[in-house]
Amino acid sequence: QKEVEQDPGPLSVPEGAIVSLNCTYSNSAFQYFMWYRQYSRKGPELLMYTYSSGNKEDGRFTAQVDKSSKYISLFIRDSQPSDSATYLCAMKRGNQFYFGTGTSLTVIP
Amino acid sequence: GAGVSQTPSNKVTEKGKYVELRCDPISGHTALYWYRQSLGQGPEFLIYFQGTGAADDSGLPNDRFFAVRPEGSVSTLKIQRTERGDSAVYLCASSLGRSQETQYFGPGTRLLVL
Repeated sequence: QKEVEQDPGPLSVPEGAIVSLNCTYSNSAFQYFMWYRQYSRKGPELLMYTYSSGNKEDGRFTAQVDKSSKYISLFIRDSQPSDSATYLCAMKRGNQFYFGTGTSLTVIP
Repeated sequence: GAGVSQTPSNKVTEKGKYVELRCDPISGHTALYWYRQSLGQGPEFLIYFQGTGAADDSGLPNDRFFAVRPEGSVSTLKIQRTERGDSAVYLCASSLGRSQETQYFGPGTRLLVL
């Protein structure tokens, strides 16, 4: 079993929809939780990170962490075609970052 | 300012050959990471440098893989006796320091071993 599980999708939504992306993890030692966006043939780009359980908001993006359930989410409001990309969750333990497989998102105009 | 750069952007080699992949981090970033990303997968940790030293190389898959960062800036990932299974995108990321969670990734080097 992988330490970080993420549904690969693909996920297709109409423009303006609310998108929910999720990851689960098995190791309670993970301390920091991150979401990256990766466009085709590019490196991942950090969207948000958080240390603790609860919600963190940045513009149209909200990151949610539930440490008791070992579950993290990323919500995208008013989704735009430019949000079409692969979204990767990541978690840090010690010196290492552990990534999910990524969820492919397409926002249809 | 300039971001993380990686060269070459693409590398095609034959099974058994030696390859070197270069990473030029953001100026002033002391932490540098190498990852391998296979198709449809997330990045997989290979090695972490803090300054010139490899602080954690536990992700290197075997002794054919080696990385250096002699002056604490540019890093080179070296793969000996390449195998077809080494084909992947090799990503480099840098961050300001030991406790910085904000990693900046380069565009990657796409390695294809024939």
